[in-house]
Amino acid sequence: EGQLVQSEGISVQPGGSLRLSCAGSGFPFSDYYIHWARQAPGQGLVWVSRITDDGTHTRYADFVKGRFTVSRDNVKNTVYLHMSSLRAEDTGIYYCGAARQWRFDYWGQGTQLTVSS
Amino acid sequence: QSALTQPASVSGSPGQSITISCTGTSTDVGAHTHVSWFRQYPDTTPKLIIYEVTNRPSGVSNRLSGSKSGNTASLTISRLRVDDEADYYCYAYSASADTFVFGTGTKVTVL
Repeated sequence: EGQLVQSEGISVQPGGSLRLSCAGSGFPFSDYYIHWARQAPGQGLVWVSRITDDGTHTRYADFVKGRFTVSRDNVKNTVYLHMSSLRAEDTGIYYCGAARQWRFDYWGQGTQLTVSS
Repeated sequence: QSALTQPASVSGSPGQSITISCTGTSTDVGAHTHVSWFRQYPDTTPKLIIYEVTNRPSGVSNRLSGSKSGNTASLTISRLRVDDEADYYCYAYSASADTFVFGTGTKVTVL
């Protein structure tokens, strides 16, 4: 059974940086695009970023462009979301999802990020 | 990158049918078939219930069905059950920006 396992929750001060991880197992990880989405407390899902299966193409939502970078290591079966210049409004649960041919087969359990002084 | 528009809430009685709409534009929902629907129970991970407008992943009940007309996609839940109470989100590819967008989300209540 395939799964995505995300890094543990974390707190950081405004302006800080950190890296979230999303590790796949039990499925051909390198065949899948990985999407990131987030959910602020009590709010809906919002798309954040996407990286292609080979890692050559990335896309970002406007509100993270220039601050977040997504990368992947298909040897380690892991995708990373590098986050910098963090703001209070970046607080929320971050989910990674694996999609192939436009079908999301797997979702991670989510990582709680709190940005607060 | 504006969110797709969904009704904030939809309700129905057990056994009834309900439909959730998801309105976008000619550059996202109306441009192709890359529209998905997710169900999310409180404090849980989203689960795919429909992909490519009309397709159900294996294991998803055939009481759930998807469709699209113009810039609006729809999710219909037939023979409503108590365990259909959840939040539902549509999700579409935005061809003009090569990005993706979720809907605003709909809370389904079974009366």
